[in-house]
Amino acid sequence: KAGVTQTPRYLIKTRGQQVTLSCSPISGHRSVSWYQQTPGQGLQFLFEYFSETQRNKGNFPGRFSGRQFSNSRSEMNVSTLELGDSALYLCASSLRGIQETQYFGPGTRLLVL
Amino acid sequence: DQQVKQNSPSLSVQEGRISILNCDYTNSMFDYFLWYKKYPAEGPTFLISISSIKDKNEDGRFTVFLNKSAKHLSLHIVPSQPGDSAVYFCAAMGVGGADGLTFGKGTHLIIQP
Repeated sequence: KAGVTQTPRYLIKTRGQQVTLSCSPISGHRSVSWYQQTPGQGLQFLFEYFSETQRNKGNFPGRFSGRQFSNSRSEMNVSTLELGDSALYLCASSLRGIQETQYFGPGTRLLVL
Repeated sequence: DQQVKQNSPSLSVQEGRISILNCDYTNSMFDYFLWYKKYPAEGPTFLISISSIKDKNEDGRFTVFLNKSAKHLSLHIVPSQPGDSAVYFCAAMGVGGADGLTFGKGTHLIIQP
């Protein structure tokens, strides 16, 4: 079974731009969660989507948003990029939700200049 | 305020010996705990978990111990193998997972031959 895939793997943007990251979960998984990893803060939960609906949300500003499609693929969008948004963005999928074992993708490394 | 703390950024252990990784938490609402392993350029991989109703869970060479009164958990790896060299993250979750997973900042385990 194919694992969680994320595209692109690397991205360079400038301040003020917006970015969209994509995540394809493991086939059959309906829950997709997004995390931000930075050296200073570690891994932080952004949000979870299940059946095209945002179910849980972490403590991030409204510039961070997401959506999930009917095939469970998910996108995460960050608008008005700031230097501090430079991070590794990880996506994880599970069958029914965060309470179950999550399987992580390799991440998208975003650099904001 | 860091709710999950891994106070040792790195740990070096000789091959064949026991590796003990520690994790402390402050939020008494956490009721489910997990350990993830991460290799460079890959996403975290689930290792083992424990519910707050238990104090021990074993899976092959890996055992997790939970001391709820001390708000402390530990991961024991016996015997340690070279492939165990990785960054280990402790994570915690409250009932229903509304706030997603809260991660520690990780401990880099190095297995010396």
